[in-house]
Amino acid sequence: DTGVSQDPRHKITKRGQNVTFRCDPISEHNRLYWYRQTLGQGPEFLTYFQNEAQLEKSRLLSDRFSAERPKGSFSTLEIQRTEQGDSAMYLCAGSRGPNQPQHFGDGTRLSIL
Amino acid sequence: AQSVTQPDIHITVSEGASLELRCNYSYGATPYLFWYVQSPGQGLQLLLKYFSGDTLVQGIKGFEAEFKRSQSSFNLRKPSVHWSDAAEYFCAVAAMNRDDKIIFGKGTRLHILP
Repeated sequence: DTGVSQDPRHKITKRGQNVTFRCDPISEHNRLYWYRQTLGQGPEFLTYFQNEAQLEKSRLLSDRFSAERPKGSFSTLEIQRTEQGDSAMYLCAGSRGPNQPQHFGDGTRLSIL
Repeated sequence: AQSVTQPDIHITVSEGASLELRCNYSYGATPYLFWYVQSPGQGLQLLLKYFSGDTLVQGIKGFEAEFKRSQSSFNLRKPSVHWSDAAEYFCAVAAMNRDDKIIFGKGTRLHILP
């Protein structure tokens, strides 16, 4: 058990709808990361937070995507106007800081109908 | 920019046999290197990492990996596999002091024959 929980585990929605995922790391995880993993691929970095500050965003994170970590604890990832290509597993990871291992949650699998 | 190549998409070995999963990276300096394992429907678990020092790194579950700078490789090994090792294995690289941005390979799926 990594201590990182993600909710929901699965989300099925129609194209064009908005979806929001939540990630709860343990309190010691100053850093929080979001990744996207499509079938047959490794995870791809989306963004990360140091406490409540969003320090880097990948070019993969289009303007339909937004992530927040308002109090430096849990984080949310929202996708607006979902598209077929958004179907993927969305993984969250937490770490205690630089040079510390990233501990992954079990992910949220998004399916777009 | 860093990149990772895992040349084998699938590997099948018999239970009790030895295992080696290949990984080659591209990066101009000494990178940070990782191996993760992912079971179906689950997140990734860190097996081992190399930041500096001894080039032979011991990890969890009996795995080890060796960093070879001259070959730009970081192959994962296990002397005797168990059926529970069946999973997907990802090699990953990060720039030194930039472990906030990890680049993953496409993975190698390991199948175990009874």
